[in-house]
Amino acid sequence: AQKVTQAQTEISVVEKEDVTLDCVYETRDTTYYLFWYKQPPSGELVFLIRRNSFDEQNEISGRYSWNFQKSTSSFNFTITASQVVDSAVYFCALSEAGHGSSNTGKLIFGQGTTLQVKP
Amino acid sequence: SAVISQKPSRDICQRGTSLTIQCQVDSQVTMMFWYRQQPGQSLTLIATANQGSEATYESGFVIDKFPISRPNLTFSTLTVSNMSPEDSSIYLCSVAGGVNEQFFGPGTRLTVL
Repeated sequence: AQKVTQAQTEISVVEKEDVTLDCVYETRDTTYYLFWYKQPPSGELVFLIRRNSFDEQNEISGRYSWNFQKSTSSFNFTITASQVVDSAVYFCALSEAGHGSSNTGKLIFGQGTTLQVKP
Repeated sequence: SAVISQKPSRDICQRGTSLTIQCQVDSQVTMMFWYRQQPGQSLTLIATANQGSEATYESGFVIDKFPISRPNLTFSTLTVSNMSPEDSSIYLCSVAGGVNEQFFGPGTRLTVL
């Protein structure tokens, strides 16, 4: 069965610190997709990144970076020089691949990590 | 990216009543999804709604409680029937976009008294 584990329930840092959010997943599929979403206090889900199982390259987008390691089934998310506006709940999610190896849209979410960045 | 709107954005309802939530997308999509997020919890998929066919429900969710309509490729509704306080949640619709992206609507915050 597919499963996503975000072991860190809450993290508190001081502004400008770097912080890494952990995500470990389980799946029997060879083709799958991993996502990170941000949910600020307003409640909407903001798409951050998608990675497919065949692309293990790490990615950097501004202060955000992602480390995908199939050997350890992990897809960790690092925020460099954190800011107060980064305070939110962050969700890691896994999606199985359907016909044609496209994303089926059925996401399995981790429990989320609440990040608090203090000024 | 797809732009998704939901109505209502929030509501407070009485026990035993029903609420219909609307989801509108600015482009045609094959699959739409409904998720539930209970207070302080993660998101759980309720059902997948394909145009022209019956919705497919996940384990623990039934059509009598959460009937879904999908009349065209840009619109879907989710009804929460015979509500109880345990149904108080955020309900979100989602679409699978191009290049395996996944976008969510702003959500509907439901409180049942």
